[in-house]
Amino acid sequence: GAVVSQHPSRVICKSGTSVKIECRSLDFQATTMFWYRQFPKQSLMLMATSNEGSKATYEQGVEKDKFLINHASLTLSTLTVTSAHPEDSSFYICSARLGLAGGRFKDTQYFGPGTRLTVL
Amino acid sequence: AQKITQTQPGMFVQEKEAVTLDCTYDTSDPSYGLFWYKQPSSGEMIFLIYQGSYDQQNATEGRYSLNFQKARKSANLVISASQLGDSAMYFCAMRGQGAQKLVFGQGTRLTINP
Repeated sequence: GAVVSQHPSRVICKSGTSVKIECRSLDFQATTMFWYRQFPKQSLMLMATSNEGSKATYEQGVEKDKFLINHASLTLSTLTVTSAHPEDSSFYICSARLGLAGGRFKDTQYFGPGTRLTVL
Repeated sequence: AQKITQTQPGMFVQEKEAVTLDCTYDTSDPSYGLFWYKQPSSGEMIFLIYQGSYDQQNATEGRYSLNFQKARKSANLVISASQLGDSAMYFCAMRGQGAQKLVFGQGTRLTINP
C-alpha cells in the first residue's frame, strides 16, 4: 500500500515550452500533496504544499506563476512548469501524506519516483 | 523552527556489518515525528521508518531500527547486517506539531563494500 506514481519519469523540452508533471496516489486518498525540487547531490527543497480543492501554499522564493500547481482530486496533483528555461532543469519529486486513515503511519509522506526535467 | 543535522556526508561499510547513520534535530515543539528515507540512484525516496516523539519504544522495521534519544535530540538510524543494496543516500526528516511539511537533513551517502 501507499504507492505514489509520477508521470512522466523523464522529459526533455525546448526552452519556452510548458511541461506538466502528474502525481497520483494509487491506493489511498491524499488530502495533502507536496512538490519538491532536488539538485544533484543536495537535499530536497520543498516548493509548495497542495491541498485538495484549494490553492497551493508556495515556499518563499518559489514563483507561483512559473510553477503552477493544481490539486483537483484526492488522488491527483499536477505541477506545470510554464515557459521553462534551462535553469529549471532539475529532479522534481512529489509526495502524498497518508492522512488519518493511515493507522500507525498516518503521518508519513510517501514519495513518487520523481521526474527528471531537462530544458534545452 | 525545526532543523535536522546529518553530520556524515559519506560512510563506507563492509557488507554484513551493522551501520549507524547519525541524525540530530532541533525543535521547540512538544510533539513531533521523525522519519528516515532512502534514496537510491534511481531517485525514488523510499520510506524506511517512523518514530513519534511520545512513542515509548524505539521503532524497528526489519533490519532498520531507530535509536531515539529524546533528551539528546538524536534519532540515529541503525541498519543491521548491511547488504550491497543498502548503498544509497539516506535522509533524516522531521515534522513538528501541527505542521504539514517535512524538514530534511542534508543526507548521508552510504556505500556498502563487498
